[in-house]
Amino acid sequence: DAGVTQSPTHLIKTRGQHVTLRCSPISGHKSVSWYQQVLGQGPQFIFQYYEKEERGRGNFPDRFSARQFPNYSSELNVNALLLGDSALYLCASNLGQQQYFGPGTRLTVT
Amino acid sequence: AQRVTQPEKLLSVFKGAPVELKCNYSYSGSPELFWYVQYSRQRLQLLLRHISRESIKGFTADLNKGETSFHLKKPFAQEEDSAMYYCALNNNNDMRFGAGTRLTVKP
Repeated sequence: DAGVTQSPTHLIKTRGQHVTLRCSPISGHKSVSWYQQVLGQGPQFIFQYYEKEERGRGNFPDRFSARQFPNYSSELNVNALLLGDSALYLCASNLGQQQYFGPGTRLTVT
Repeated sequence: AQRVTQPEKLLSVFKGAPVELKCNYSYSGSPELFWYVQYSRQRLQLLLRHISRESIKGFTADLNKGETSFHLKKPFAQEEDSAMYYCALNNNNDMRFGAGTRLTVKP
């Protein structure tokens, strides 16, 4: 069973750069959510998309943006990276209230 | 503001002992509450949700609106229960997670 996939697994970026993270939901799921998890904390909600429309947005600056494609995969973009953006970024594939999480992308900003 | 609080970062019990992981929330409406678990080297996964009133792996959680709590309980802890546990509240597609409690069950 193909679960939620995320790419890349890890990446290292420099302050000021831009990053794109990718997520493929479970086949048949039309909604994805993005979370940021800083070490020692629970996941923090960034965005939710359903059928390519933004359905929810957390308390993150405009440097964070996302989109969902016709095949329901999604990208999270972060511009002008700051050291504080270093975190594990989780994607969840949603079916109703059930969320299935991917393995995450570990982003390190130096 | 909607908020989830897990007061214990770490909890350690012996195998066979009862375990309770605390979760308190603040929310103005009717909350939808969940418990998620992350075992070592595995993905975050749903353990149970209050609306289902189910028992998963021997765990139960009761919503107490008066005390605004959703504590997770198991009468007899097992070593395989050792994991990170997160309480979460769904606020109109905005899922709020607590900081998590690391449960260690000692042999």
